[in-house]
Amino acid sequence: AQKVTQAQTEISVVEKEDVTLDCVYETRDTTYYLFWYKQPPSGELVFLIRRNSFDEQNEISGRYSWNFQKSTSSFNFTITASQVVDSAVYFCALSEDSNDYKLSFGAGTTVTVRA
Amino acid sequence: DTGVSQDPRHKITKRGQNVTFRCDPISEHNRLYWYRQTLGQGPEFLTYFQNEAQLEKSRLLSDRFSAERPKGSFSTLEIQRTEQGDSAMYLCASSKRQGVNTEAFFGQGTRLTVV
Repeated sequence: AQKVTQAQTEISVVEKEDVTLDCVYETRDTTYYLFWYKQPPSGELVFLIRRNSFDEQNEISGRYSWNFQKSTSSFNFTITASQVVDSAVYFCALSEDSNDYKLSFGAGTTVTVRA
Repeated sequence: DTGVSQDPRHKITKRGQNVTFRCDPISEHNRLYWYRQTLGQGPEFLTYFQNEAQLEKSRLLSDRFSAERPKGSFSTLEIQRTEQGDSAMYLCASSKRQGVNTEAFFGQGTRLTVV
C-alpha cells in the first residue's frame, strides 16, 4: 500500500504566484516523521523540512510554509511568491523509524514556474 | 567537505552485463543509504550501512543486487545480469549518525540505462 500520496503530478504557475503542494500519508504508527525534499534537474535531493508526528505547529521559512494536519493525515507545502528557481520536482516522504533514513517517498510533484 | 559523490554519473550497459556503482559519502559520515528512483517516481529505499555493517538488505530488489562498504568509507552497489527493468537512477545518501533528527545528504545519483 502506498504510504505517501502526492496527487498532483505537475503544477505550472507564473512567477510571483503562490503554489501549494499536497501530501497525504498513511501510517499506523503514532510516532513518525515527515519530510519534504526538492530535486532540481541536477538530480540530488535537497532537504527542506522534517517534522515529527507530535509537532503539529505550522512552520514558515522564508517563502516556504508547511501545514501539518494529523486529523487529515496531510502535510502540505506552500511556496509563496514563486520564482523561476523554484522549478523542480518536490517530494514528500515518511519515516516510521526514528533511527534511520528508510524513507517512503511519494511520486513527486513537478513544479514549473514561468517568467 | 565536497558532499556525497557518486560515480559514474551515467552508465549504459547491455542486458545481461554486470554493473557496479560507487558512492563516496561525506567524510566521517557513519550511515550510508542506497535508493533507486525510476522515471516519474520517488526514490525507493534499498539498503543501508552503519560503518561497514550492512544493517538491512531485505529491500534489495532481487538476489542480483548486492552492496558493500568494506572499510566503512565508500560503498559499491552491484547489479548482476542486468535487465531492462533495472534502468533507473541510483541514489546514495549519508548521515553523520543514526536518527532522522540528523540530516542525510544525497548525491546526484548514477543513471543506469540497460539496452
